[in-house]
Amino acid sequence: DQQVKQNSPSLSVQEGRISILNCDYTNSMFDYFLWYKKYPAEGPTFLISISSIKDKNEDGRFTVFLNKSAKHLSLHIVPSQPGDSAVYFCAASSSRAGSYQLTFGKGTKLSVIP
Amino acid sequence: GAGVSQTPSNKVTEKGKYVELRCDPISGHTALYWYRQSLGQGPEFLIYFQGTGAADDSGLPNDRFFAVRPEGSVSTLKIQPAEQGDSAVYVCASRLRGEAYTEAFFGQGTRLTVV
Repeated sequence: DQQVKQNSPSLSVQEGRISILNCDYTNSMFDYFLWYKKYPAEGPTFLISISSIKDKNEDGRFTVFLNKSAKHLSLHIVPSQPGDSAVYFCAASSSRAGSYQLTFGKGTKLSVIP
Repeated sequence: GAGVSQTPSNKVTEKGKYVELRCDPISGHTALYWYRQSLGQGPEFLIYFQGTGAADDSGLPNDRFFAVRPEGSVSTLKIQPAEQGDSAVYVCASRLRGEAYTEAFFGQGTRLTVV
């Protein structure tokens, strides 16, 4: 039972355009959400996060939007650059779960075409 | 060290053998997690350490898997005996504290292949 779902395995975007990566979750106890970026043969690297008290968080070219009622979040990358090509994982955790473990989606492979 | 370090980066072993994977977290990080990532999947939680103790081992798939963190820093994940279905990338992460609203830093992973 996937508690965090990334329904698009891959996405191709032209350089300079916006990339939108989507994520849905089912566990209403999740209250902290993170996006990680992963290059081949490397571990996931933290990109941006958002807590459930917010609906938007920005960091440079990256913005994460959270819609709690829909249990949906999205990562926007504007403008997209070839170096953004990687696998992006959505992750969630609950402050009410003792280990605060991260639950991950399956990832979306983003390809930014020059 | 500067980041989370995992050794070895690749491990090939035979079915039935004993396997040890090592994780060296960021200095001062008290929380340490082990995850397993299979092809086409996101990382799946195995076990969480807060200090020296395993605070949550609910993700360990069976009793062939065991992990320790005797001094609250380096952790070792052990598999005995290894089976072909254990082939995956084992990723370790550390957090400054075991709190929800902090990021976790990941190592590069150990790719385990059981033949």
